Amino acid sequence: ETGVTQSPTHLIKTRGQQVTLRCSSQSGHNTVSWYQQALGQGPQFIFQYYREEENGRGNFPPRFSGLQFPNYSSELNVNALELDDSALYLCASSLRQTYDYTFGSGTRLTVV
Amino acid sequence: ILNVEQSPQSLHVQEGDSTNFTCSFPSSNFYALHWYRWETAKSPEALFVMTLNGDEKKKGRISATLNTKEGYSYLYIKGSQPEDSATYLCAFVGDSSYKLIFGSGTRLLVRP
Repeated sequence: ETGVTQSPTHLIKTRGQQVTLRCSSQSGHNTVSWYQQALGQGPQFIFQYYREEENGRGNFPPRFSGLQFPNYSSELNVNALELDDSALYLCASSLRQTYDYTFGSGTRLTVV
Repeated sequence: ILNVEQSPQSLHVQEGDSTNFTCSFPSSNFYALHWYRWETAKSPEALFVMTLNGDEKKKGRISATLNTKEGYSYLYIKGSQPEDSATYLCAFVGDSSYKLIFGSGTRLLVRP
């Protein structure tokens, strides 16, 4: 299997709800990173997972959490959604400590 | 706070024109500088990873240079084509976590 797949592609949620976004990993990669791209900005690093553990976190509150599974796929969970969480969420898989990143095409989350 | 700046924010050129964009990044703690090409609704596509001061990379009509001492990289497109229309992102790596710190991108539109 090649490439990174993200699901769903689009999602609309209500403020206060919880959401789970999913990401596959490219074959041969063992690390997954998540990024948030708000309108007009570049992607911002949320966190990275390696060996099913969080391995680095950006400036995001604890209501952003994640999981990595034994097959290296990953989930991003966001609790208590706020309007400002509306953004494109990108995931990227890589082989640890290499520059070989493969990105998915993102999940567009709209919070109303 | 590490800041990565890209300019211009957007660029409209005529088919056949050559163009260039700038990415500025911190000149200390340099690990790598990535360039990505990102078409709407698709995944960011890796163009170059540059790790050494003075690096020059080329891929078809696209090339990039790197100056880590002054903290900038240029991306050049020779003879722009409509299919070059996309957002071009640079991403700085400043520590051993390998996390990417993105600029906000340059949106290129090439008119036929």
